[in-house]
Amino acid sequence: SQQGEEDPQALSIQEGENATMNCSYKTSINNLQWYRQNSGRGLVHLILIRSNEREKHSGRLRVTLDTSKKSSSLLITASRAADTASYFCASRVSAQKLVFGQGTRLTINP
Amino acid sequence: DVKVTQSSRYLVKRTGEKVFLECVQDMDHENMFWYRQDPGLGLRLIYFSYDVKMKEKGDIPEGYSVSREKKERFSLILESASTNQTSMYLCASSLLPSSGRLSGELFFGEGSRLTVL
Repeated sequence: SQQGEEDPQALSIQEGENATMNCSYKTSINNLQWYRQNSGRGLVHLILIRSNEREKHSGRLRVTLDTSKKSSSLLITASRAADTASYFCASRVSAQKLVFGQGTRLTINP
Repeated sequence: DVKVTQSSRYLVKRTGEKVFLECVQDMDHENMFWYRQDPGLGLRLIYFSYDVKMKEKGDIPEGYSVSREKKERFSLILESASTNQTSMYLCASSLLPSSGRLSGELFFGEGSRLTVL
């Protein structure tokens, strides 16, 4: 399978803490994307990092990419209850193919 | 804002029925996709289309077919629904990546939760 793997599968933290999710993939990629999914809803694109980039920021999100280790991480700083959702990484392996990980379920406790 | 609309949020069908899931996008995107999402398995690509009347098999096309007669509409068809097709179905669209820039973020619909009894 070309599916990526995410770690941890579930994460529960207190509001205000930072949340870190990790993603590994198997083949060479052009870019890696992170998506968020609220319960029972569709996915929403959060951030994209290209294969020649090592780190990218967007608001409270920080993404890193290590192509030598075929891994990426998503850091959410100063978490809020509204950040409770599932987070998926997706690696672009070709012009048409985006391979999704299995997701990390994040719970922010008030 | 891009909008991807899936016609039904919830459907309940019986085994053997023919099921149509409709998806419409309003941003003139070339690419459209159908995924299914199951607990522990993540998102798996069923079919995609990069142009009108064009379709390509994804990772799990068995038991499904698709139709793209107009650029904005991509339909998923279950010819004879089975219980193992009970799942959340997600439609998505994206621009065709421009030459030298393979980005192509996906825009998703809200999903269609199908239960086959």
